[in-house]
Amino acid sequence: AQKVTQAQTEISVVEKEDVTLDCVYETRDTTYYLFWYKQPPSGELVFLIRRNSFDEQNEISGRYSWNFQKSTSSFNFTITASQVVDSAVYFCALIPWGGTSYGKLTFGQGTILTVHP
Amino acid sequence: NAGVTQTPKFRVLKTGQSMTLLCAQDMNHEYMYWYRQDPGMGLRLIHYSVGEGTTAKGEVPDGYNVSRLKKQNFLLGLESAAPSQTSVYFCASRDRAGELFFGEGSRLTVL
Repeated sequence: AQKVTQAQTEISVVEKEDVTLDCVYETRDTTYYLFWYKQPPSGELVFLIRRNSFDEQNEISGRYSWNFQKSTSSFNFTITASQVVDSAVYFCALIPWGGTSYGKLTFGQGTILTVHP
Repeated sequence: NAGVTQTPKFRVLKTGQSMTLLCAQDMNHEYMYWYRQDPGMGLRLIHYSVGEGTTAKGEVPDGYNVSRLKKQNFLLGLESAAPSQTSVYFCASRDRAGELFFGEGSRLTVL
């Protein structure tokens, strides 16, 4: 069975602080995709990043960066110099690409990030 | 382009009533999903489909049924609504590259 765990239920920071959201996953499949989504107070789900299991390169996009480590089954997300607009719920997700769970998309419980001015 | 459209956006039901949520996508995607979102529980997969005519159970399928008779539509049915099914329901479709497209959500209240 596959599982995605976001151990931090809520994080509160002051603007301009760096913050890292943790994501640990479990899957028996060797091929899979990992995602991060943002859900602002307005409720829609906003795609942030997709990473496949064969690509362990870290990625940076503006103030956002992602650290993918297969050895520890982790896909952590860091926001540098946080801003109030970053306040949202952030979800990590996993899709196996093969096996009996092919296509089954599983989300973590989400981390509520609050950035105070 | 409409993307993923969910109807209705809001609904209030009495315990025991039935209803169907419709998810429609115009991107010719094979994969479609129904999730429910509850406070502190994140997004939990109810049912999903990897193609027309196929469905599979997710993490929390009890009390729900689905059908994928047409590729563009994925229906979620509640045969006998219960207060525990009060939630926000999200539909999503996915392209072959893995990118997900979500609907705006449907807020269901069961009294």
